[in-house]
Amino acid sequence: EIVLTQSPGTLSLSPGERATLSCRASQSVSSSYLAWYQQKPGQAPRLLIYGASSRATGIPDRFSGSGSGTDFTLTISRLEPEDFAVYYCQQYGSSPPVYTFGQGTKLEIK
Amino acid sequence: QLQLQESGPGLVKPSETLSLTCTVSGGSISSSSYYWGWIRQPPGKGLEWIGSIYYSGSTYYNPSLKSRVTISVDTSKNQFSLKLSSVTAADTAVYYCRLAARLPPFPFDYWGQGTLVTVSS
Repeated sequence: EIVLTQSPGTLSLSPGERATLSCRASQSVSSSYLAWYQQKPGQAPRLLIYGASSRATGIPDRFSGSGSGTDFTLTISRLEPEDFAVYYCQQYGSSPPVYTFGQGTKLEIK
Repeated sequence: QLQLQESGPGLVKPSETLSLTCTVSGGSISSSSYYWGWIRQPPGKGLEWIGSIYYSGSTYYNPSLKSRVTISVDTSKNQFSLKLSSVTAADTAVYYCRLAARLPPFPFDYWGQGTLVTVSS
């Protein structure tokens, strides 16, 4: 079973700053199988990035994903007030087809 | 635009079976391009994948829940369902249904708004 570890647990930044969130896998993950989600209080998660680096429909270009193997990164270039939320990475394991989430990174206003 | 809505009891007694249904509107779920699944989130905690069912009828479950979970789909009703047996307080969570692209890189998914299920006597 692949374990995803996200860091930091909490990130305190100000609007306009750059955010860098990390997701590390315990084994190599295909880039096609790595996604990032944003979750705001009381809402369902929203798909931001799929295939490690492709933005989902309607996602602003200030969100970008990168990485390969065991290390993946979500970057928000210039934080907007609506970006403060919890972010999760998710991986798909093909044999068998199961999904795993990281424990989340809370992005809070400094 | 597909919309998903979970329904079912908000309160379940310990040792009983939790049953939820996800009803999809705005389009047919009957497509081999999709899979359907359930995810839960205990209060104040992270996301936990419960399981998925595919157009072929194949099901895959979280190993930690496998012995207690059944996911089924009724394409004629545009619904899919979750049953979790022998529940305990640890199963208290917001339960989300999800419909997603079946093939990598999984470019889209749709989620229900979530429904809180509390396990308590």
